[in-house]
Amino acid sequence: DTAVSQTPKYLVTQMGNDKSIKCEQNLGHDTMYWYKQDSKKFLKIMFSYNNKELIINETVPNRFSPKSPDKAHLNLHINSLELGDSAVYFCASSQIGGRGTYNEQFFGPGTRLTVL
Amino acid sequence: GIQVEQSPPDLILQEGANSTLRCNFSDSVNNLQWFHQNPWGQLINLFYIPSGTKQNGRLSATTVATERYSLLYISSSQTTDSGVYFCAVPPHDMRFGAGTRLTVKP
Repeated sequence: DTAVSQTPKYLVTQMGNDKSIKCEQNLGHDTMYWYKQDSKKFLKIMFSYNNKELIINETVPNRFSPKSPDKAHLNLHINSLELGDSAVYFCASSQIGGRGTYNEQFFGPGTRLTVL
Repeated sequence: GIQVEQSPPDLILQEGANSTLRCNFSDSVNNLQWFHQNPWGQLINLFYIPSGTKQNGRLSATTVATERYSLLYISSSQTTDSGVYFCAVPPHDMRFGAGTRLTVKP
């Protein structure tokens, strides 16, 4: 069974459209993340959710909105897509340990978003 | 926030050679991970190593937390080792280094 899965794997869309990327983890983790990897391979955190509550919101445009219906899912909705949103988006999950320790993160396969 | 620096940025090896990748971080951490991003874009967990040394086949990693660095050793490199190697450190998110792009030539 896949530990962290994302759909779709590829997404090609026009500027101005709204799209969603779904993420599911079956590891029983309590924390999920969205990362963006740009064309130069830099990976940067976008959002983090712990037990369905947002605990990080880096300076991303408010066109990006994470939604977590339950601990196992963290979806990313993007409004009014722009050319600069083209990137690979990775979902990840981990279990936060005692006293704020951070356990191993596991990543999904990524979603390559292309905005035309 | 924590700064993470990796070196070298690029590395080209002949198959069978050994290599060492380095990760420096600017503050104390209680955890560190090494990842391999293969040419298909998958991020593969290599090591979860807050301190000490771990080995997995031809790969091993050492983290010296007190001196704020970690090393990834690849021995007898193979073409399938090609890709980008990232180190990443917490806190609650992961700060990634810029990666080392490894190319192993047959």
